[in-house]
Order: sequence, then C-alpha cells, then structure tokens
Amino acid sequence: AQSVAQPEDQVNVAEGNPLTVKCTYSVSGNPYLFWYVQYPNRGLQFLLKYITGDNLVKGSYGFEAEFNKSQTSFHLKKPSALVSDSALYFCAVRSSGNTPLVFGKGTRLSVIA
Amino acid sequence: GAGVSQSPSNKVTEKGKDVELRCDPISGHTALYWYRQSLGQGLEFLIYFQGNSAPDKSGLPSDRFSAERTGGSVSTLTIQRTQQEDSAVYLCASSLGTGLGTDTQYFGPGTRLTVL
Repeated sequence: AQSVAQPEDQVNVAEGNPLTVKCTYSVSGNPYLFWYVQYPNRGLQFLLKYITGDNLVKGSYGFEAEFNKSQTSFHLKKPSALVSDSALYFCAVRSSGNTPLVFGKGTRLSVIA
Repeated sequence: GAGVSQSPSNKVTEKGKDVELRCDPISGHTALYWYRQSLGQGLEFLIYFQGNSAPDKSGLPSDRFSAERTGGSVSTLTIQRTQQEDSAVYLCASSLGTGLGTDTQYFGPGTRLTVL
C-alpha cells in the first residue's frame, strides 16, 4: 500500500530565509512524487513532480524538491521564502500503473514578514 | 485555456437530501478524479475514470456515493441521503492520461458541501 507522511502540521519561517517542508513516502516499486500547493479557498495547484532522472527537481515559483531514495523522502525547498508562499502544501505519491495519487495530510506554511 | 471547473461552488443541504456535484475537466483530458477534503484532513481519494475503462471506485466511503462520467467528459458525483459527516470540500481533477509524463493532475476550485 502507498502512503505519505508529512510530519509537520505547521512550518513557520521568516521572509527571506530558506524553507523546507518535509515529506516521506512508502510505495511498492518506483515512486512518482508530487507537490501541490493550496491557497485559501482555492483548488490545488501543481508545483513539481519527480518521475526519474535527476534527484533535484525544479518547479514553479522557485520551489524545488530533492528525491532521496535511501531515506524515502521528497522534501520541498525554497532558498528564500516570500510572504506570498504562505499556503497549505501537499505531498503525494503513486506507483507505476493505474494507481491513484495518495496525498499527505498537508503542511501549513506561514512566512512571516 | 480553461481549467477544471466545478459547480456549484457552495452547496448547503439538509440531512437526508440527495446532492449532485458537477465537474467539467480540461478539454482533451482522459482521466478524471474526485477527492474529498475534510477540515484538517488531507485529500481522500474517492473515484477515478480513465477513458472508457471501468472506474476505480475503491475510495468511495459508502454506497450512498456514486459518480458518472458521460461522454468521456463531464462528471457528476452524487451523494444520496446526505449525512453531516459528508460535509467537506469535494475536489475534482483531470489529467491528460495516467502514464508517465501525462499523469499530472490539475484541480478545480472545489465544491464546499455543508450538510445541516
């Protein structure tokens, strides 16, 4: 069975500081990993995904994520946080084949000016 | 181009009533997904459709929930005899396909369902 853990319900960071939102996963076979962001009263927006290849994936709005197979992690990062990055972030995983995405419970990021 | 649209944006109903939620996927997307997002919870997968294949209904929480996708496009999620625990935001997503490189899901704004 597939599962995703986002160990932090809330992450607070000062504007301009680097941010990390953590995600670990469990899946049979090769993992396909995604990050989505949800702004208030909006649907989810796709940020980035890892399928294969380079472990460092670059996505929208300056975000990137690093796939670490040995640690089964896919942490989301940004070198310099903006107040406008404040939102709810979801990590998701699926395995190969026609399997649905499994989402984590989300991490609320708050960037303080 | 147009994204995924959902209607209504908000729905308030009384316990025991039936409700229908609609999703219009992105044109040309063959896969369509329904999720439920409850307060403080992540996204709970409900059902997905891929082309003409039988839908994957493995996430539907009870037989009060059903969904259809007509003509490979618009989908309707129906909840019969609504209960208060059905109150949530119902999100729809579509993707070009389900293979590598085509499986990125694009989400609609959701329908907020409140059961009184």
